[in-house]
Amino acid sequence: DVKVTQSSRYLVKRTGEKVFLECVQDMDHENMFWYRQDPGLGLRLIYFSYDVKMKEKGDIPEGYSVSREKKERFSLILESASTNQTSMYLCASSFGTGTSSYEQYFGPGTRLTVT
Amino acid sequence: GEDVEQSLFLSVREGDSSVINCTYTDSSSTYLYWYKQEPGAGLQLLTYIFSNMDMKQDQRLTVLLNKKDKHLSLRIADTQTGDSAIYFCAETSTSGTYKYIFGTGTRLKVLA
Repeated sequence: DVKVTQSSRYLVKRTGEKVFLECVQDMDHENMFWYRQDPGLGLRLIYFSYDVKMKEKGDIPEGYSVSREKKERFSLILESASTNQTSMYLCASSFGTGTSSYEQYFGPGTRLTVT
Repeated sequence: GEDVEQSLFLSVREGDSSVINCTYTDSSSTYLYWYKQEPGAGLQLLTYIFSNMDMKQDQRLTVLLNKKDKHLSLRIADTQTGDSAIYFCAETSTSGTYKYIFGTGTRLKVLA
């Protein structure tokens, strides 16, 4: 079974802190994604990566950065956390192009509260 | 830009059929997906349909695609309380970016 794990289920941080969210997948997937999920807004893509050390901005990258030093690990960084970054963060991974579908496999999510 | 829309809530009685609807704007969509999110969990793929298909059936699930109207639906037959969840519609396009565009999600509540 594909497994995508996220380092924390719940996190509480203070405004201005630097926050690291870690995601690890065990299926040798090329692609990895970070989303945030807010009620009524669905999932919005923050960043994605299609290879080690490669990254592309999604729809809402402001205030975030990412790191992918190893294929199985994709980190989301909040440089200076703000209250409007309180949200559920979901990591996902998928195989690259040339597959029969682009099914994404999701982690359980990290609920981040910034106070 | 591309957009995927869903109604936010649906309530049905146990044993009835549920129909969750989705409309999308990208005419070059390749795959359309339905994901399910149970409380406190990530998303899990339920089913997907390739854009050259009209219908796909998988046990209690039926997916209908109307490409002309850019309308996708998910029908759940004999809905059970365990089907209570948020259902997301998503699409990828032929641009090859493997990015998803997600809908807002429909929260299905099944009444006993």
